[in-house]
Amino acid sequence: DQQVKQNSPSLSVQEGRISILNCDYTNSMFDYFLWYKKYPAEGPTFLISISSIKDKNEDGRFTVFLNKSAKHLSLHIVPSQPGDSAVYFCAARGTNSGYALNFGKGTSLLVTP
Amino acid sequence: SQTIHQWPATLVQPVGSPLSLECTVEGTSNPNLYWYRQAAGRGLQLLFYSVGIGQISSEVPQNLSASRPQDRQFILSSKKLLLSDSGFYLCAWNRGGALVYTFGSGTRLTVV
Repeated sequence: DQQVKQNSPSLSVQEGRISILNCDYTNSMFDYFLWYKKYPAEGPTFLISISSIKDKNEDGRFTVFLNKSAKHLSLHIVPSQPGDSAVYFCAARGTNSGYALNFGKGTSLLVTP
Repeated sequence: SQTIHQWPATLVQPVGSPLSLECTVEGTSNPNLYWYRQAAGRGLQLLFYSVGIGQISSEVPQNLSASRPQDRQFILSSKKLLLSDSGFYLCAWNRGGALVYTFGSGTRLTVV
C-alpha cells in the first residue's frame, strides 16, 4: 500500500517561473519529509527536508511546505532553471522499519528555456 | 570520509540464474542499511533493511533475499531470477535516527 503519493508523473515549467511539486501521504506517524532529485542510473540526491512539526522550510531556491492536517506537502522551486530538470521524489520517514524512507513514485520535471 | 560502494553498475542475467549484488559502506560503524528497487515506471520501493549484523527485515514478499555478514556489508541475492526482478537497485545507509541518507550509485539489472 502506497503511503506516499505523487499524483503528477510529470511537470513542464518555463525557465524563471515557479515549479510546484506535490506530495500526499497517509501515515500520520511520519516524523520527517524529504525531497530528493534523481537522474537516470544514479542514486537520489538530497534537496531539502522538513520536520512534521514545522510548516515551512526554505533553502535557497527550494522551499518545502507542509500541511499536516491535509497530509500534503509541496516543493517550490523559484526560479526554475534548466538544470533542475530531473525526477523529484518525495520521501517520508517512519520511526519503525529501521528509519527507512518511504518514497513516492516521483515527478519528472522539465524546465524549458 | 563516509562513502558507499555498490557493484556492479550494470548486469544482464538470464531467467533462472542466481544473483548477488554487494554494497559496502566506509567511514562509519553500525549503520542502518537498506535495499531499494526502482522498477520501470515506478518509484523507489523498500525491499530490505538491516539495523545490525545478521538482522534483516523484509518489506515485501519476493524472490529476493538479503544478508549482512559484516557490519558494513549488505548483500542482495536471488537463487533464481525472474523477469520481474529487472530494475534499478539502490543500496543506502543511514546513521540510526539521523536525517542523512546516503545512496549508492545503483545497479541496473536486466533479466532476459
